[in-house]
Amino acid sequence: QKEVEQNSGPLSVPEGAIASLNCTYSDRGSQSFFWYRQYSGKSPELIMFIYSNGDKEDGRFTAQLNKASQYVSLLIRDSQPSDSATYLCAVNSPINQYSGYSTLTFGKGTMLLVSP
Amino acid sequence: DGGITQSPKYLFRKEGQNVTLSCEQNLNHDAMYWYRQDPGQGLRLIYYSQIVNDFQKGDIAEGYSVSREKKESFPLTVTSAQKNPTAFYLCASSTSLGLAGGISSYNEQFFGPGTRLTVL
Repeated sequence: QKEVEQNSGPLSVPEGAIASLNCTYSDRGSQSFFWYRQYSGKSPELIMFIYSNGDKEDGRFTAQLNKASQYVSLLIRDSQPSDSATYLCAVNSPINQYSGYSTLTFGKGTMLLVSP
Repeated sequence: DGGITQSPKYLFRKEGQNVTLSCEQNLNHDAMYWYRQDPGQGLRLIYYSQIVNDFQKGDIAEGYSVSREKKESFPLTVTSAQKNPTAFYLCASSTSLGLAGGISSYNEQFFGPGTRLTVL
């Protein structure tokens, strides 16, 4: 059973701080990892993806991947109140044991609250 | 502008009624998906389609049906057999399904704005 685990939060940080969001996954065969941001009542939007071990930076966002530990994280530097949202971790997983195809398995998300 | 549209934004259904949610994309994507999201929950896959005239059940397909007669369109019908249909429904698309294993398994999904269904 493929699983993606996230702390539901809320994670509260003051404006300007670093927010650290974590995600673990169960399928060792997963190769691609995605972070989506979802504002309340809206649909998810992609922030970053990563598929190599190590760090990937894009502006204030850094995704970190450790396949040996089956762990992926998202760091948000200089957090802003506009970053307050739920962050969904998604992992590319085989659809089933018979299919040669995969799709995304989503975690339940971590709510981030950035206070002014 | 390329994107995914869903309609209606809000939908109210009486118990025992079937309703159909629309999803259209002009991204020229082969793969399309339907998800359901309940409060405080992640996205759960209902159905997905890799190509026209082909679709597969996801994790929670019972009480739902879909069709894929055109590449651009993937409507979802919520039938009266779905016991608890009140939820936020999200349609997504990607260039293709990912491949199981291997570095080429990247398959970014783009989402529509969603339809909020309430059963009265």
